[in-house]
Order: sequence, then structure tokens, then C-alpha cells
Amino acid sequence: GAVVSQHPSRVICKSGTSVKIECRSLDFQATTMFWYRQFPKQSLMLMATSNEGSKATYEQGVEKDKFLINHASLTLSTLTVTSAHPEDSSFYICSADGQQYEQYFGPGTRLTVT
Amino acid sequence: AQSVAQPEDQVNVAEGNPLTVKCTYSVSGNPYLFWYVQYPNRGLQFLLKYITGDNLVKGSYGFEAEFNKSQTSFHLKKPSALVSDSALYFCAVRDPYSGYSTLTFGKGTMLLVSP
Repeated sequence: GAVVSQHPSRVICKSGTSVKIECRSLDFQATTMFWYRQFPKQSLMLMATSNEGSKATYEQGVEKDKFLINHASLTLSTLTVTSAHPEDSSFYICSADGQQYEQYFGPGTRLTVT
Repeated sequence: AQSVAQPEDQVNVAEGNPLTVKCTYSVSGNPYLFWYVQYPNRGLQFLLKYITGDNLVKGSYGFEAEFNKSQTSFHLKKPSALVSDSALYFCAVRDPYSGYSTLTFGKGTMLLVSP
């Protein structure tokens, strides 16, 4: 149980285009999901907390107009990177809260902006 | 200030030997503590957690960790390392100050187990 999927696993896009990443909880409902960014050989940086049916809560320094988050259902949250630039290239990971404070993580999405 | 610290960038151990990956925290109150493992180009897998109760917690794949409040530590241990344990390990904390709402991660420790 407690499986989180992400799609796509890898994406390459041109500078200036937008990319949407999906995060799904496959066997449980997730009121709250989280989006992280991870640079090579570094830790995870929390970008935002995604709440079903309401606006996401962004961490300080994260551009909400650039990283659009939608959590329209209890099993799906999406992250859209708008007008992507090479500096947005990174590994993006989503997660969902379990029932006892643990988080379950998706496999991640490698974004490369050329 | 960093809430959770992993003082070692890398830990090297021979297969069959015991391993320890260190973690200390610096939050007040009663933190919730976690260990996760990450294999290359993958998401994180939950290993174990301490919420309350017995200070020694056992988790997946034979790993265990001991919550030590006086030393503010939560070191990850395994009696006998396997080559397949080689991965990046993250300690994380849920801070009571934030209502336990989010996870804060340490920088990670790369564990390398040699045959």
C-alpha cells in the first residue's frame, strides 16, 4: 500500500515552454501532497504544500506564478513549470502524507530544459 | 538554523560489518524523526520513524534507530551491512513548532558498502 506515482519520469523541453508533472496516490486518498526539488547530490527542498480543493502553500523564495500547483482531487496533484528556463532543470519529487506522519514519495521527475 | 544535521557526507563500511549513519536534531519540544533511503534517480523510501514510546525503533530491511533525547540524536544502525544497502540516506524531522506539518531533511549521507 501507500504507493505514489509520478508522470513523466523524464522530460526534456525547450526554454520558454511549460511542462506539467502529475503526482498520483494510487491506493489511498491524499488530502495533502508536497512538492520538492532536488539538485544533484543535495537534499530535498520543499517547494510547496498542495491541499486538495484549496490553494497551495508555497515556501519562501518559490515563485508561485512560475510553479503552478493544482490539487483538484484526493488522488492527483499537478505541478506546472511555466516558461521554463535552463535553471529550472532539476529533479522534482512529490509526496503524500501517510496516516501516521510518514510521507510516501513518488519516484521523481527529471526535468531538463534546453 | 538547521533543524536536522547529518555530519557525514559519506560513510564507508565493509559488507558484514555494522553500520551507523549519524543524525542530530535541533528542535525544541518533541520532534518526530524519520529515516529515508534514496537509490539513484529514484524517490525516497521510508525506513523508520520515531513518534513516541520505545526509544529504539526497528524499520525496513533490518535497519533500526535509537532516539536519544539527551544527545538530540537519532542515529541509523544496522548490525550487518549489505552491498545493496549502498544508497543515499536522509534523516528528517517534523517540527512541533510548525505543527508537525512539514518534513525538514538533513543534507543526506551516502553509504557505500564494499564487498
